[in-house]
Amino acid sequence: AQSVSQHNHHVILSEAASLELGCNYSYGGTVNLFWYVQYPGQHLQLLLKYFSGDPLVKGIKGFEAEFIKSKFSFNLRKPSVQWSDTAEYFCAVNANTGNQFYFGTGTSLTVIP
Amino acid sequence: GAGVSQSPRYKVTKRGQDVALRCDPISGHVSLYWYRQALGQGPEFLTYFNYEAQQDKSGLPNDRFSAERPEGSISTLTIQRTEQRDSAMYRCASSFGQGRNTEAFFGQGTRLTVV
Repeated sequence: AQSVSQHNHHVILSEAASLELGCNYSYGGTVNLFWYVQYPGQHLQLLLKYFSGDPLVKGIKGFEAEFIKSKFSFNLRKPSVQWSDTAEYFCAVNANTGNQFYFGTGTSLTVIP
Repeated sequence: GAGVSQSPRYKVTKRGQDVALRCDPISGHVSLYWYRQALGQGPEFLTYFNYEAQQDKSGLPNDRFSAERPEGSISTLTIQRTEQRDSAMYRCASSFGQGRNTEAFFGQGTRLTVV
């Protein structure tokens, strides 16, 4: 079975600080990788996704993630966070043949103005 | 509609009652997923459908939980004889489906509270 690990459970940063959230997955085959964001009181929204090609993926709001196949990782980064980035961030994976999406336990990010 | 729609948004029920949660996926989406999310946790898989066929129900915690999607569109998740431990956010998602690289689109969720 596939699984997803997010090592940072709670992160607190000041505005303009750089962000990196870790995500590792376990699956031997080809996968699709995702980062979802959940702002307070809202539903899960897609931040960015990787299917194939360039392992450095750029998403909305200045976020990017890098797929490193040898490390089974898909870490999320942003060079300068804003207060509005305060949210819960979830990494997810599914096999590219389809079937269910597996989610990590999430990382709560708080950005202090 | 434009997105995944779930109803009701909030449901408070007494222990022992049955509840039915509804999900209306994005039109044309083949796959439909049900997840449960406890506070401070990530979405936990319950079950999913391709069209009307339930492909995987391994995540349903016990036989009080069931789901159907009889016409391959709207789905209902039913919890019988609810217990307090069933309290959670229940999320539905849909995607274009198997064999196509696509993300899951989520609804607003149903917050279930069993008292």
